[in-house]
Amino acid sequence: DAKTTQPTSMDCAEGRAANLPCNHSTISGNEYVYWYRQIHSQGPQYIIHGLKNNETNEMASLIITEDRKSSTLILPHATLRDTAVYYCIVAFSGNTGKLIFGQGTTLQVKP
Amino acid sequence: GAGVSQSPRYKVAKRGQDVALRCDPISGHVSLFWYQQALGQGPEFLTYFQNEAQLDKSGLPSDRFFAERPEGSVSTLKIQRTQQEDSAVYLCASSPAYEQYFGPGTRLTVT
Repeated sequence: DAKTTQPTSMDCAEGRAANLPCNHSTISGNEYVYWYRQIHSQGPQYIIHGLKNNETNEMASLIITEDRKSSTLILPHATLRDTAVYYCIVAFSGNTGKLIFGQGTTLQVKP
Repeated sequence: GAGVSQSPRYKVAKRGQDVALRCDPISGHVSLFWYQQALGQGPEFLTYFQNEAQLDKSGLPSDRFFAERPEGSVSTLKIQRTQQEDSAVYLCASSPAYEQYFGPGTRLTVT
């Protein structure tokens, strides 16, 4: 299974954009890049996913490099409620494949 | 609409007792997953169902762990003869297609 590498922790000022990087150099052609986050004492929450094109939804944007070996999750205007552990995962489609979580990036949004 | 629910939310068991953890997935979701999350770690895959068929149980740590989904909806994770190392949060997720929706988890403490 492909693995990902993320920084252990990051800080972001409230109201600023949070840019969370992820390396996935061994991703295979039909694996997606998924981002989930886990707020303390809650189950993980799906944020966004993509295959090769950049994606945007109401929560975030996902930028995937052309070679697909890395990606960046962008939270455009971080709030205190965005403080969480963010997991970057490569996987086949979600309903047929298990998710392999790493350690993730702990994002601390500061006032 | 209603999300994934799990019960009980907290369970304390004495070493050697059997426990049963329940998951109610989102209605209509064919795929269901169980994960185990130790303190300070990311979730780890245990097993996966598509309807009532258990297609992958490679993550179950021992034969004391057993999961079922007899009618393709509600699922139960059973742990026999609990040990202290079984203490963790057990997460259930269901999926319609790409993303997985997680429940709040059951925190199991074995004393």
